[in-house]
Amino acid sequence: SAVISQKPSRDICQRGTSLTIQCQVDSQVTMMFWYRQQPGQSLTLIATANQGSEATYESGFVIDKFPISRPNLTFSTLTVSNMSPEDSSIYLCSVVVGQETQYFGPGTRLLVL
Amino acid sequence: GENVEQHPSTLSVQEGDSAVIKCTYSDSASNYFPWYKQELGKRPQLIIDIRSNVGEKKDQRIAVTLNKTAKHFSLHITETQPEDSAVYFCAATLGTSYGKLTFGQGTILTVHP
Repeated sequence: SAVISQKPSRDICQRGTSLTIQCQVDSQVTMMFWYRQQPGQSLTLIATANQGSEATYESGFVIDKFPISRPNLTFSTLTVSNMSPEDSSIYLCSVVVGQETQYFGPGTRLLVL
Repeated sequence: GENVEQHPSTLSVQEGDSAVIKCTYSDSASNYFPWYKQELGKRPQLIIDIRSNVGEKKDQRIAVTLNKTAKHFSLHITETQPEDSAVYFCAATLGTSYGKLTFGQGTILTVHP
């Protein structure tokens, strides 16, 4: 498995501002992803964080709103830009260890007022 | 893209009974099917997974079955305990896209003592 940490664990933000979430893994991993879990809902993949190149975004998510960095194989950041109350969610990073096994970080709970 | 349907949305059982959660998927190229358990306020935890070349997998009280022809897979929990109460999510790989998971809507399992 992998030990994954996220910062911050939670935050309350004002609309129109931006928040950067950090994800740190205790070992080098090739595949890293960012998911969103809206209140009471399932998980939705936002993007694949690619090391050394631009992230790959899923339908409905764009780089201007969710810029992602992946400077090395153990770290990534997700920024939620120009926030609105609809962005209130849990944001989780995940990593693939081995062939396909995917582990999740503890999540960042975001509330936008 | 991939679509995963999960049923039921809520499931209530008595301690000691069995619980079954079912999922169907749309992309016949999907080849990896994990199940996650998410307790309130916690991250999703992988509890069991199955690959497309296997029809059934068991781990103590938990088992997963896969029917590739019908494109459905199920989670079976026997001898349920109150600590099994949680939200359970099925997932499938997004076609042959390595690591990208599409999640079902989730099942709230409540085990009554």
